[in-house]
Amino acid sequence: NAGVTQTPKFQVLKTGQSMTLQCAQDMNHEYMSWYRQDPGMGLRLIHYSVGAGITDQGEVPNGYNVSRSTTEDFPLRLLSAAPSQTSVYFCASSPPIGEVGNVLTFGAGSRLTVL
Amino acid sequence: AQSVAQPEDQVNVAEGNPLTVKCTYSVSGNPYLFWYVQYPNRGLQFLLKYITGDNLVKGSYGFEAEFNKSQTSFHLKKPSALVSDSALYFCAVRDLSGGSYIPTFGRGTSLIVHP
Repeated sequence: NAGVTQTPKFQVLKTGQSMTLQCAQDMNHEYMSWYRQDPGMGLRLIHYSVGAGITDQGEVPNGYNVSRSTTEDFPLRLLSAAPSQTSVYFCASSPPIGEVGNVLTFGAGSRLTVL
Repeated sequence: AQSVAQPEDQVNVAEGNPLTVKCTYSVSGNPYLFWYVQYPNRGLQFLLKYITGDNLVKGSYGFEAEFNKSQTSFHLKKPSALVSDSALYFCAVRDLSGGSYIPTFGRGTSLIVHP
């Protein structure tokens, strides 16, 4: 089925470990983004990309890196995990974000726990 | 700058009764407004959007929302609630005049429909 695929669904890390959350979409969407969802905080934008080779920071980028080498993939890297990064992470994509009324398609989420 | 507020953390309604989930926004120019729904352990799904035209927008699953420019509101409504409507609802806004391509999400409102 077409959509946004996130892996893994669940991950437990120890403080200081690194890992990569994978995100892939098969809809040829130009725009991709990563959000974190925390209780009472809603969705906060971490990083986003408007096309292959182009990335930019969102509201809460510290501690995370991204790259966009292809249109389909947008991995999120945690270089040195901290307990404050315990959260549920969502990847979302859309056709060019500047076009009128484009809506986001979200992945199912990745639940990360940092001990 | 753009912002959105969902003043209620939780809304409780009996099955069969009408429901309203509130959203107010702040933008410099004209807003694009969106509602998304998140069912337990799932990603967000698009419900409806307001771009221009008729202030009453109809969306998926019998939901509708009314755009009120004077009150800067975009409340989500449904005439008769179902238990299956129980979920987390997010309002989002984009301010076109500010050149922002990225939507800002509210903190979410938990809707609980009682049998």
